[in-house]
Amino acid sequence: DAGVIQSPRHEVTEMGQEVTLRCKPISGHDYLFWYRQTMMRGLELLIYFNNNVPIDDSGMPEDRFSAKMPNASFSTLKIQPSEPRDSAVYFCASSKTYTEAFFGQGTRLTVV
Amino acid sequence: AQTVTQSQPEMSVQEAETVTLSCTYDTSENNYYLFWYKQPPSRQMILVIRQEAYKQQNATENRFSVNFQKAAKSFSLKISDSQLGDTAMYFCAFMKEGNNDMRFGAGTRLTVKP
Repeated sequence: DAGVIQSPRHEVTEMGQEVTLRCKPISGHDYLFWYRQTMMRGLELLIYFNNNVPIDDSGMPEDRFSAKMPNASFSTLKIQPSEPRDSAVYFCASSKTYTEAFFGQGTRLTVV
Repeated sequence: AQTVTQSQPEMSVQEAETVTLSCTYDTSENNYYLFWYKQPPSRQMILVIRQEAYKQQNATENRFSVNFQKAAKSFSLKISDSQLGDTAMYFCAFMKEGNNDMRFGAGTRLTVKP
């Protein structure tokens, strides 16, 4: 298996623009997670899905953030409109029940 | 809510020496899982070791071992015979049984010196 695949690896956008981050989980995994990593706040869990259903989105910072999982092999995290303070590395991870999470390479987002 | 605390923001060790990274956690759960992840400069998150709370035996993976003290809610990572490639951020993580919700500590930056 190719592992968790995230795209793009790097994204630079202007403040106010819409940003969409993409994730393909490992086949057969029934959990999918979106994390954000910053120097100040470390690794924060934003939202996670179980069998494509959002279970806990309490970590989503604002209404500007939204996430979807239309099927078992694809998820998106959207920020609209983006702000400079959204600059961070965004990780997608997937897992099977009761197992560790496998992480993608992350997307480094820079909002200027 | 579960919290994970790593009290050592940075540590360093000489190559071939042994180093121990600390982690404590707070939970009222009895069944859970604990993990150590490594994040090298490439930023890839790599699982180092896992421990099931119901297992009394400490997990070991080659040069990596843990000291799991359930009553004290402590989960330290020992790296033996440190290698330059061990230089990375190390994150301790907690997962409650039943929902796969994994929470991470703030991390410890480990530098292995030649």
